[in-house]
Amino acid sequence: QVQLVESGGGLVKPGGSLRLSCAASGFTFSDYYMSWIRQAPGKGLEWVSYISSSGSTIYYADSVKGRFTISRDNAKNSLYLQMNSLRAEDTAVYYCARYPISGYLFDYWGQGTLVTVSS
Amino acid sequence: QSVLTQPPSVSGAPGQRVTISCTGSSSNIGAGYDVHWYQQLPGTAPKLLIYGNSNRPSGVPDRFSGSKSGTSASLAITGLQAEDEADYYCQSYDSSLRVGVFGGGTKLTVL
Repeated sequence: QVQLVESGGGLVKPGGSLRLSCAASGFTFSDYYMSWIRQAPGKGLEWVSYISSSGSTIYYADSVKGRFTISRDNAKNSLYLQMNSLRAEDTAVYYCARYPISGYLFDYWGQGTLVTVSS
Repeated sequence: QSVLTQPPSVSGAPGQRVTISCTGSSSNIGAGYDVHWYQQLPGTAPKLLIYGNSNRPSGVPDRFSGSKSGTSASLAITGLQAEDEADYYCQSYDSSLRVGVFGGGTKLTVL
């Protein structure tokens, strides 16, 4: 069965950096686009970034462009999100999700990892 | 401000039918892009509930149904059960933004 397990969240000071990881299993990782989606405490869902199956196509939300970098290692079945210059408004649970591009949907989600940006 | 508009909350008694609307525009739902719905139970990750406007993934009860017309979509839940109490989000693709977009979410309360 499809499993996505995020890790790497934690408490970081404003201006700091953090790297999130997502370990995938149960499907052929290299066949799928992948995405990061976040949810601020008590708020709705916000798409953050996606990456194509080969890593050649990448998109970011305007709110994180220039600060966040998405990447993947198909040999390790892993997705990453490098987050730099973190701000208080980046505080959220970050989910990785499988993103079958043909349907523009997010069909499987991880359990999420909490990132808290606070001094 | 979400690209797709949902009511903040709906409620219904056990056994009743409720609907949740999702209103978009000519660059997303109105452009013909599919609408998908996600259920987020308290303290858990979202789960795909309806895909491609009206299709249910395996394991989703047929009490849940989706429809789409013009620039709007709806999620209907019949025979409400206490376990349906959750947040529900619609999602589509926006050709102007070139990304997936979500509604603001609707909290369903089972009275």
